[in-house]
Amino acid sequence: EVQLGESGGGLVQPGGSLRLSCAASGFTFGIYWMTWVRQAPGKGLEWVANINQEGSQKYYVDSVKGRFTISRDNAKNSVFLQLNNVRPEDRAVYYCARDRYDNSHYFDYWGQGTLVTVSS
Amino acid sequence: SYELTQPPSVSVSPGQTATITCSGDRLGDKYASWYQQRPGQSPVLVIYQDTKRPSGIPERFSGSNSGNTATLTISGTQALDEADYYCQAWGSSTVVFGGGTKLIVL
Repeated sequence: EVQLGESGGGLVQPGGSLRLSCAASGFTFGIYWMTWVRQAPGKGLEWVANINQEGSQKYYVDSVKGRFTISRDNAKNSVFLQLNNVRPEDRAVYYCARDRYDNSHYFDYWGQGTLVTVSS
Repeated sequence: SYELTQPPSVSVSPGQTATITCSGDRLGDKYASWYQQRPGQSPVLVIYQDTKRPSGIPERFSGSNSGNTATLTISGTQALDEADYYCQAWGSSTVVFGGGTKLIVL
């Protein structure tokens, strides 16, 4: 059974940093792209970043470029999202998802999400 | 930047057909996917590559994509289909979601 479990969310001050983790199990992690998607309270889904199998290709939504970094550790079946210089508008539930790249990107399994709250 | 537009809400009576649209410039040239999100839950993929259903998704869910509009159709809508639905597409190394449509079954 495919399982994704996010952790690392919590309260962070504006300008602060946080590292989100996503542990994967139930599939061969190293052959899949992975993605982070966020959802602000009461709002829609927003794609944040994705990473290819080897970690050599990384893409970001414009609003987080230069502040967030996606990475992965295939030996530990984990993908990470480093949040730096966090802004109030980054407050959201952050989901990791398995990213199926087959002439397009779509997300077939999602974690339960981890909440990031930004407040001083 | 690329945008996908969905109606904020769609209402349907139980047993009837619900149609949710997603509009974007030349969207038919891209693949569209659809996600269902019930309150308090994570999104679930219901349609990918315009028309394909993942394993476990009921046959009453179908999709199409042509021109500037992708469509999610739910036939024989049930009360448990009440949820938010999001379209999604990919292009120019960027993933985009529509704003979401609340399906109301009444």
